[in-house]
Amino acid sequence: DGGITQSPKYLFRKEGQNVTLSCEQNLNHDAMYWYRQDPGQGLRLIYYSQIVNDFQKGDIAEGYSVSREKKESFPLTVTSAQKNPTAFYLCASSPLTGRAYEQYFGPGTRLTVT
Amino acid sequence: GQQLNQSPQSMFIQEGEDVSMNCTSSSIFNTWLWYKQDPGEGPVLLIALYKAGELTSNGRLTAQFGITRKDSFLNISASIPSDVGIYFCAGPVSGYSTLTFGKGTMLLVSP
Repeated sequence: DGGITQSPKYLFRKEGQNVTLSCEQNLNHDAMYWYRQDPGQGLRLIYYSQIVNDFQKGDIAEGYSVSREKKESFPLTVTSAQKNPTAFYLCASSPLTGRAYEQYFGPGTRLTVT
Repeated sequence: GQQLNQSPQSMFIQEGEDVSMNCTSSSIFNTWLWYKQDPGEGPVLLIALYKAGELTSNGRLTAQFGITRKDSFLNISASIPSDVGIYFCAGPVSGYSTLTFGKGTMLLVSP
């Protein structure tokens, strides 16, 4: 089955700790994205990557970091510098050509920081 | 900026009713996408529109690309309880390969 997996589904951390969210895809997509979703809000782009070892900041990159060492994987680290880290985090992927705007999403990780 | 405004914010309807929602922008879009998000899950792509005036169906769902290219519409016919969720519209950010999303229309269906 082709798709995007995110783990874990729920994550709890203490304030001041860094935490890494996993995202893996086997759709052979070149582009991958991280979004943050808060209640009643749309999706806001944190980071995206179109090729291995390269990534760009989205609208709300402050307090987050990413890496793209493999095509299939795009982990997101929520650092202690992120002021309000509690949110629902969504990973997505898309091809770079053809239907490049059709992004496919993972099931999400709900992060709670106390 | 390229903001997308979705209307209505929420709807509460009876099972069997038809539903209409829309997405508007002050900017022109060349592509419109409609997603549905079930509670606690990631959004799922429902319909993608690529041409002004295009009308595309996916089962009981029909979406239209407005001829002004500044709006899009999603209709659901004969709603059922599993239609419950948040419906998002999205379009490409000009000059980039990324998407901008509306804030969503929350649909609740009463059996």
